[in-house]
Amino acid sequence: DVKVTQSSRYLVKRTGEKVFLECVQDMDHENMFWYRQDPGLGLRLIYFSYDVKMKEKGDIPEGYSVSREKKERFSLILESASTNQTSMYLCASRALGYEGNTIYFGEGSWLTVV
Amino acid sequence: QKEVEQNSGPLSVPEGAIASLNCTYSDRGSQSFFWYRQYSGKSPELIMSIYSNGDKEDGRFTAQLNKASQYVSLLIRDSQPSDSATYLCAVEASGAGSYQLTFGKGTKLSVIP
Repeated sequence: DVKVTQSSRYLVKRTGEKVFLECVQDMDHENMFWYRQDPGLGLRLIYFSYDVKMKEKGDIPEGYSVSREKKERFSLILESASTNQTSMYLCASRALGYEGNTIYFGEGSWLTVV
Repeated sequence: QKEVEQNSGPLSVPEGAIASLNCTYSDRGSQSFFWYRQYSGKSPELIMSIYSNGDKEDGRFTAQLNKASQYVSLLIRDSQPSDSATYLCAVEASGAGSYQLTFGKGTKLSVIP
């Protein structure tokens, strides 16, 4: 069975803290993604990685960075958390493209910044 | 900016009826199209993918794609209360943007018993 695991499901952090969100996939997928989802704004891509040590900015990278040192792990880093980063964060992974492949999501990480 | 548009709803249908969910997209070169279902507080899960013009059926679900009109739809036959969720349309970018999906904001479906 496909498995994308986000280790932290619910977090409360203070403004200015450094926050790490971890994601691990067990499917040997090349591509990994970080999205955030907010009411009325839908899913927005923060960063994606198409292979180890490779990363590309998505639509809203400001205030975030990522790390992909191993194929199975993709970390999202909030360098200095702010209240407008309160959101649900979704990690996803995907095998390199042949027709029929799809993005698989983790269960989500709910982050509240106070 | 690639865009994917969906009616936000809520769309209410009686149990047993057909629910019709629609999506339009702006990138004419898009090749891959997906429908995800998302229950409240949960992550999206894939229902259907479609790549060629026409219809694709899977159980009670039918996806329809018309690339000339840049339009993709999802029909749910014999709707059940358990189908009540938000449905997200996703389109894969073409060219240099490949590997990314652009999501619509979702249509909330309510199936009334």
